[in-house]
Order: sequence, then C-alpha cells, then structure tokens
Amino acid sequence: DAKTTQPNSMESNEEEPVHLPCNHSTISGTDYIHWYRQLPSQGPEYVIHGLTSNVNNRMASLAIAEDRKSSTLILHRATLRDAAVYYCILRDLGGSQGNLIFGKGTKLSVKP
Amino acid sequence: GAVVSQHPSRVICKSGTSVKIECRSLDFQATTMFWYRQFPKQSLMLMATSNEGSKATYEQGVEKDKFLINHASLTLSTLTVTSAHPEDSSFYICSARDPSVTDTQYFGPGTRLTVL
Repeated sequence: DAKTTQPNSMESNEEEPVHLPCNHSTISGTDYIHWYRQLPSQGPEYVIHGLTSNVNNRMASLAIAEDRKSSTLILHRATLRDAAVYYCILRDLGGSQGNLIFGKGTKLSVKP
Repeated sequence: GAVVSQHPSRVICKSGTSVKIECRSLDFQATTMFWYRQFPKQSLMLMATSNEGSKATYEQGVEKDKFLINHASLTLSTLTVTSAHPEDSSFYICSARDPSVTDTQYFGPGTRLTVL
C-alpha cells in the first residue's frame, strides 16, 4: 500500500472547524483514501473514505485534490470528544486481504 | 455502523501462561479478520490476517507458534498468546471487514494484556 504523510500533531479550539491534511503523492489509480481515528485506550473508529470525489457523512467531510496526491479531513465543528489520533490510510481497491496499514497519524488536541 | 467486540477488555497474567482473546463480529459475517498490536505511544502494527476456515497469514517477524489464531466461524476469531512474557504486554486489537459494505473495516475496542 502507498505511503501517506501527516503532521504529527495539530491543535484546535472547540466549536471551530478543523482541517487535517494528508499527502499521498505516490497514490495509484485504484487506491481508496481512508480515515480512521483512535481515542485513547480504544480501537480505531472508521471516519470516512473516498476514491476521487469529495465525500460527506455525519462525522466529517473528505476533500480530495484533483490530482489525488493529497486530501483533507474536515471536522466542521470540533468538540472535546474529537480529540484523538487521526490516521489517513491508502488501500488498493483490488487488495484481496483488506488489511489496513497504519502510519503514525495526527494527534488532534481540542481546547475548550 | 457494524460492531466488533473483544473479550476480555483487559487481562493480567503470570509469565509463562497462555491467554486467549476473542473477537466477534456482532451484526455481520466476516470472512476476514485482522489482529493488530499496539505498544504505548506507537501506531497499530498488523500481526496477522485470519480467514475463516483456513490458516492465518502472519506478517514478517510475528511468530505463528506464539500467537495462535483460529477463525472457526464467520463471526469469531481468537488469538492465543502462548507462554506469555512481559514483552508481550501490549494492546491487542482485532478488526473485521464487512463484505456487504464496500471497503470498510471495523475495529474492536481492544484488549489490554499485562504479563507480570
């Protein structure tokens, strides 16, 4: 699976939008972009995923660059409960095993 | 979303004993499950991929005789840490892929193993 690059940490204020960047310059045409987050002492939680078009769900939005070499996870209004490590992961659509390979992620801190 | 459970949530055992961790997909059938390990302040590391009815595929550096994986049904996979030692103390997390939902993988809450 192709590699992603994320900032080690970011800070946000409560109730403000948060934009979490991810670079994946070696992405292939069949790689899906996945985002998961992990709260302390819990298993990762699925957030969103997409291939080419921007995606929205109840948790977040995913903005994918036109060349697909980068993407941004958008939390529209950060809450204290959004403090977590956010992982951006690429997975090949054709990958038969389905396993996700985690990088170091971005640790998001939310200040009240 | 789909739910994956793990049992126990935490376990403390003596060095040399074996510990079994269960992973269940509660509302879907998972032909493939995954086991990860996470040390403090580190990211998740994939240990093995478990396919129902067949042998697990282990990642490089993971001892298959020490970490026994059984995936006997479409909703249950077990990880047994045999002859556990203090260096096996870690956070073990299982995951399952829901084949009915395109390309989505769900994770259990994790099991904290402490070996004394």
